[in-house]
Amino acid sequence: QVHLQESGPGLVKPSETLSLTCIVSGGSVSSGNYYWSWIRQPPGKGLEWIGYIYYSGSTNYNPSLKSRVTISVDTSMNQFSLKLNPVTAADTAVYYCARVSPTGSNYYYYYYMDVWGKGTTVTVSS
Amino acid sequence: DIQMTQSPSSLSASVGDRVTITCRASQSISSNLNWYQQKPGKAPKLLIYAASSLQSGVPSRFSGSGSGTDFTLTISSLQPEDFAAYYCQQSYSTPYTFGQGTKLEIK
Repeated sequence: QVHLQESGPGLVKPSETLSLTCIVSGGSVSSGNYYWSWIRQPPGKGLEWIGYIYYSGSTNYNPSLKSRVTISVDTSMNQFSLKLNPVTAADTAVYYCARVSPTGSNYYYYYYMDVWGKGTTVTVSS
Repeated sequence: DIQMTQSPSSLSASVGDRVTITCRASQSISSNLNWYQQKPGKAPKLLIYAASSLQSGVPSRFSGSGSGTDFTLTISSLQPEDFAAYYCQQSYSTPYTFGQGTKLEIK
């Protein structure tokens, strides 16, 4: 069974870089079937999709964050990472990593996020 | 971006009640609609994918329906563990977007 675990600093100063890693266990980030995604949730608010990466390194970002976001994958370490720079107080949130899985046939697929990490809280404050 | 609108934003119900939550997309998304349950301090949990497919391990009292722009999540008989927040999410196009959430509370 695949498990995801986020790690990284819980406190980041304004204008600096938020860096998080998602460690994948029980499965391989190199599996060609899945995308690997980041989602965040500000305190008391809803969910925002940040972006995803394929094992080949191909990425897709939310345009609202695209200028500040980088998602990368390290297949040798079986993990993928998020960098957000520069950050402001508005980036304070719980950050989740998740697996994006496909289902379907005949070249039409539906995608859903079926495995999630427990989340890590990142506070942006000086 | 595709906007997802859920209603109601909050709902009070009793154990044993039948509950329906609706989700409307700002444009047609075919059946590219997923539902998640989130309990306080926990990660979201996938309940329904592709509008009506029940995720493995999810109780059969949960069901989803709809296509195009209008979707529903139904809980046939509320159990104590079902009191949580529920989110719809479209995967028709990126950026993936979520509804604002529906908080289901005990009456």
